[in-house]
Formats: sequence, C-alpha cells, structure tokens
Amino acid sequence: DAGVTQSPTHLIKTRGQQVTLRCSPKSGHDTVSWYQQALGQGPQFIFQYYEEEERQRGNFPDRFSGHQFPNYSSELNVNALLLGDSALYLCASSLKSSGNTIYFGEGSWLTVV
Amino acid sequence: EDQVTQSPEALRLQEGESSSLNCSYTVSGLRGLFWYRQDPGKGPEFLFTLYSAGEEKEKERLKATLTKKESFLHITAPKPEDSATYLCAVRRGVYGQNFVFGPGTRLSVLP
Repeated sequence: DAGVTQSPTHLIKTRGQQVTLRCSPKSGHDTVSWYQQALGQGPQFIFQYYEEEERQRGNFPDRFSGHQFPNYSSELNVNALLLGDSALYLCASSLKSSGNTIYFGEGSWLTVV
Repeated sequence: EDQVTQSPEALRLQEGESSSLNCSYTVSGLRGLFWYRQDPGKGPEFLFTLYSAGEEKEKERLKATLTKKESFLHITAPKPEDSATYLCAVRRGVYGQNFVFGPGTRLSVLP
C-alpha cells in the first residue's frame, strides 16, 4: 500500500526564484492538502484540493498556489521566494468520504538563500 | 479562534520512566483531536484520533485520553525508540484537512 510520496526531498533556491513541489496521495485517497512547517514549530495549513479545485485556504499569500490533477496528484508552487519561505513542506491526503484522519508524506525541505 | 498549545516544550526521561504530555485546545465544536509522532527530518506519523470527552485509545506504550479542554498522551515505560516530537491537532471547521497543530513536545528517552 503506497503511502503519500513527495518530490524532491531537498532543494535549494535563490531569493526571488520560483519552486514547484510534487505530491502523490496515498493509494485510494482523493483529497490533498499542503502544510508548511518551520523549524521547531507545528505544521501550518496552506490549502486543500479536492476534485481539482482549491477548497480551503490558510493564511498564506497569493505567491503560494497549487494544482490537483485528474489522478489526484498535486503540485505546490511558490513564486518570488523569500528567505522566510525556507521550511519543510508537507503534503497530506485523505479520502473525503471517510472524513477524518489525514496522512502525511515525508516532506520536501526547501532552503532559500 | 481555534488554538492548540502543548506542554512541556521538551521532556527528557530515563528508559522506563513513565510520564504524560499535555495538549490544551480551544475550538468551536471539536471534530476530532489528533495525535501524531514526528521523527527528525520526517513527516508526521498518525497515532490516534479522539472524538469525545472520556474517550481513550492505546497503542503499545502510548495511551491518549481526552477531556473537554485537554488531551493527554501517557507514555508507560518508554524506550529510546520512543524519542520523537509528539504533535497534537484539531480540525478547523466541519470537514476538510484544515488542521490546527500545536508546536509539539520534543521527547528524549535516555538508555
């Protein structure tokens, strides 16, 4: 049973650049969300996708955008990177009809220099 | 505003020394209190979901309990492999994946 997979594992970008992170949900899941986790803090909700549409959004600027594909996989795009965007980006998935528990991938470590 | 706090921030135990971690929450209508374990550099691993006051769940050396304002994660006779950060979270809203996480408790179990 494949869990949530994310790529790349680590990447380094320069301030002002753009980055795309990718996520494949756990087998059988149709809902994907993205979280940002700064060092020493809990994850913070960025947004959630279901049926290829953004359904909920946290308190993040428009520089953060996403996409969900027909196969339920998802991308997170961040434009005009700032030093403060350096963090672990986590993708989580669940089956909408079952409601509750969300399962996380191992994350993508983004360092902005 | 939905809010989750955790205490202590960090905890060091000797192997076999039982203790409890605290998660206090403020939410308009609880729709699940979730516990996760996170190893350094890894994604959170799901442990438990609790829905109503008085509910308890157990897994190996861990037991989670829930009251109307708090949840406790009890660790009985911990082993070094239990060392990790333990996160709790509540769902914001009726449905969806918008979870509010606490900052976590960093647990170290010394042999």
